[in-house]
Amino acid sequence: EIVLTQFPDFQSVTPKEKVTITCRASQSIGSSLHWYQQKPDQSPKLLIKYASQSFSGVPSRFSGSGSGTDFTLTINSLEAEDAATYYCHQSSSLPHTFGQGTKLEIK
Amino acid sequence: QVQLQQSGPGLVKPSETLSLNCTVSAGSISSYYWSWIRQPPGKGLEWIGYIFSGGSTNYNPSLKGRVTMSIHTSKNRFSLRLSSMTAADTAVYYCAGTKTVTYMDVWGKGTTVIVSS
Repeated sequence: EIVLTQFPDFQSVTPKEKVTITCRASQSIGSSLHWYQQKPDQSPKLLIKYASQSFSGVPSRFSGSGSGTDFTLTINSLEAEDAATYYCHQSSSLPHTFGQGTKLEIK
Repeated sequence: QVQLQQSGPGLVKPSETLSLNCTVSAGSISSYYWSWIRQPPGKGLEWIGYIFSGGSTNYNPSLKGRVTMSIHTSKNRFSLRLSSMTAADTAVYYCAGTKTVTYMDVWGKGTTVIVSS
């Protein structure tokens, strides 16, 4: 099973700040890495597919990069509505797995 | 845009079998991969498995053969059964879908399932 480890687990940030969340895979997964945003009491929403492709309707301040074992989700000019937990997810091999999540708090 | 409506009990007794349904609307159940994911209280997401509209399945081995997924094309519905439930299975259960067996771009709202006598 591929283990995904996210850094950091928690981050407190101010509006308009740039945020970077890292996801590291225990073995190479190519570009089969996807990012989701989950707000309290809501289901996850897809932000980025295949490491760097923005999903339809996602604000342009969200972007992704990386391949192999190291991946990054970047949020440029953070907005208050971005307070959420962010998860990475790999579909390279079965079983699919998720990172443990990164919770963003807006100051 | 396809939408998913979840249904099923919120309370299950230990050792019993959980049955959840997910009904597809505003689209066809065909040519999609339909997944189930769960989230224990205060914890992260766990992939349970998926079923293709043609019926093929893949399950998470961590659930040790307790999982069965099925699809009912005529009802535009797919289902999850999880047997021998214990308190460790208490979680919010989500259904989700995609046209590829990779990311999940449509999600149900989730069903909170508590295992308790």
